[in-house]
Amino acid sequence: RKEVEQDPGPFNVPEGATVAFNCTYSNSASQSFFWYRQDCRKEPKLLMSVYSSGNEDGRFTAQLNRASQYISLLIRDSKLSDSATYLCVVFDTGRRALTFGSGTRLQVQP
Amino acid sequence: NAGVTQTPKFQVLKTGQSMTLQCAQDMNHEYMSWYRQDPGMGLRLIHYSVGAGITDQGEVPNGYNVSRSTTEDFPLRLLSAAPSQTSVYFCASARDGDTEAFFGQGTRLTVV
Repeated sequence: RKEVEQDPGPFNVPEGATVAFNCTYSNSASQSFFWYRQDCRKEPKLLMSVYSSGNEDGRFTAQLNRASQYISLLIRDSKLSDSATYLCVVFDTGRRALTFGSGTRLQVQP
Repeated sequence: NAGVTQTPKFQVLKTGQSMTLQCAQDMNHEYMSWYRQDPGMGLRLIHYSVGAGITDQGEVPNGYNVSRSTTEDFPLRLLSAAPSQTSVYFCASARDGDTEAFFGQGTRLTVV
């Protein structure tokens, strides 16, 4: 079983749609969680950290459910520029390193 | 503001050749790491370092060596290239392992 699992997609949505991605992680001791965004053939960049109480940054909302060991990302009012791969990332406390999911691809269409 | 600089951007190697991928950061970060990214597999950790003089293995360390003689530099050495090492390699740095990681632009390596 992968340590961090994501639906690879692609999710094809029209502009203005709301889309949600989920991610599950296997290590219950994990303490830090993130969503990164990766554009085609580019390096990953931090989109947002995920806090236990949930957090919002403009059109983006991240939620953490520790009991079920899943993390979600909600994007409202999708823009063409949101088209990218979204990587769910969990900090492995034992290895002191980030563990990446394989990513969910989003394609926003006009 | 350079951030993380990786070189080269592209490289083709023959099986058995060795090479070094360079990585430098100017943010005075203690934590640096190397990942490889293959289709459908996400980023996998090769080696990481929590400070100068300290390195440790990640998930897929075989065939790679690293050293960390300074805070700024963290080169990755391929000892004897194999076709299975064809991949995109990313270097990253962070203040600590669980803080925002800043990535270099990547090296696309092909081993023939």
